[in-house]
Amino acid sequence: QITLKESGPTLVRPTQTLTLTCTFSGFSLSTSGVAVGWIRQPPGKALEWLALIYWDGDTRYCPSLKSRLTITKDTSKNQVVLTVTNMDPVDTATYYCAHRDGEKFDYWGQGTLVTVSS
Amino acid sequence: SYELTQPLSVSVALGQTARIACGGTNIGIKNVHWYQQKPGQAPVLVIYRDSNRPSGIPERFSASNSGNTATLTISRAQAGDEADYYCQVWDSSTVVFGGGTKLTVL
Repeated sequence: QITLKESGPTLVRPTQTLTLTCTFSGFSLSTSGVAVGWIRQPPGKALEWLALIYWDGDTRYCPSLKSRLTITKDTSKNQVVLTVTNMDPVDTATYYCAHRDGEKFDYWGQGTLVTVSS
Repeated sequence: SYELTQPLSVSVALGQTARIACGGTNIGIKNVHWYQQKPGQAPVLVIYRDSNRPSGIPERFSASNSGNTATLTISRAQAGDEADYYCQVWDSSTVVFGGGTKLTVL
């Protein structure tokens, strides 16, 4: 059974760096073909893909946010970490991590709401 | 960058058929995936690779993809189908989501 859970701060100040951790079980990020992604959703708005990391360490980023995003993995801990620099109130959103199978996200975490405010 | 266009809202009478469109240039040559999201919940995959249903998804959910439009069809709509629906594709090694459609069951 695959499960994912996001953790991190619920409140960050403008200009700070956000660090979110996705802890998962039921699969290994060292298995060929496996990937984990991050998706966010501002309140009342649409889903927005942020980043993806593959089993081999390869990464992909949303082009418009690429300069602010870093995704890494710790295979031994079954964790994927997303950092977002220079946070702004418009970055207020629920952040989800999800397991990618093929081209689809078949398992999602419950999401964590991050508010950016001074 | 590639864009997916969805209607903001679709309404359907209880028991009738709802169709939600997802438009994109030559989307017919891409694999389209659909997600259902109910208020306060994470998205759930309901259709993958154009027309395949994950286990546990009712047969009432079906989809097609051709030309410049992919379509999610929900037959015999139920009150529990009321949700936001998102289409998703891959383009140039990036993930693209549609803007989402709110389905209202009347």
